[in-house]
Amino acid sequence: DTAVSQTPKYLVTQMGNDKSIKCEQNLGHDTMYWYKQDSKKFLKIMFSYNNKELIINETVPNRFSPKSPDKAHLNLHINSLELGDSAVYFCASSQVGGAYGYTFGSGTRLTVV
Amino acid sequence: KNEVEQSPQNLTAQEGEFITINCSYSVGISALHWLQQHPGGGIVSLFMLSSGKKKHGRLIATINIQEKHSSLHITASHPRDSAVYICAVFGPSQFYFGTGTSLTVIP
Repeated sequence: DTAVSQTPKYLVTQMGNDKSIKCEQNLGHDTMYWYKQDSKKFLKIMFSYNNKELIINETVPNRFSPKSPDKAHLNLHINSLELGDSAVYFCASSQVGGAYGYTFGSGTRLTVV
Repeated sequence: KNEVEQSPQNLTAQEGEFITINCSYSVGISALHWLQQHPGGGIVSLFMLSSGKKKHGRLIATINIQEKHSSLHITASHPRDSAVYICAVFGPSQFYFGTGTSLTVIP
């Protein structure tokens, strides 16, 4: 009965590959997010998706693309992976745009070799 | 300059000590969150505040909207409190995160 679940937990892949990370929430929240946590543990928002509206952090390369088949899912696709993409990626969800509670997934550790 | 500043960056305490972590922010906000990230990596939301004070067990969070400042207090600290504590504010349409405070509680 996990509230926000991400898969896989660990992902090791070679440079240049394309990979996806899946995220599902069963909380009935209307907004989902992807965050990147770098080696210095700093969390940075990548995308938020609310009722079909996608807000993108302008610093995110266009090799990253979120895909939301429905309100409960927001998957992250990454094309042409680079070494600098190695990080922990967190999915999160909230209701009413984040001001009323926020639940994180357990994270996906991506290592690009 | 980061919109959310936390202090201290690192903190080591003896078991039983009273701990305070501070957060200052520069954007207008509708809510502030305190998050806890354990060494295993998972992130847990501890508190969401828009005014005043909240208490949960040994944890207390306060916010002063006028001064744009929040504090997280841990009373009677325990080694299992060792984690990174992150302040996050919900500003105009997005979240801003502090860089985190790494707390180590020594038995």
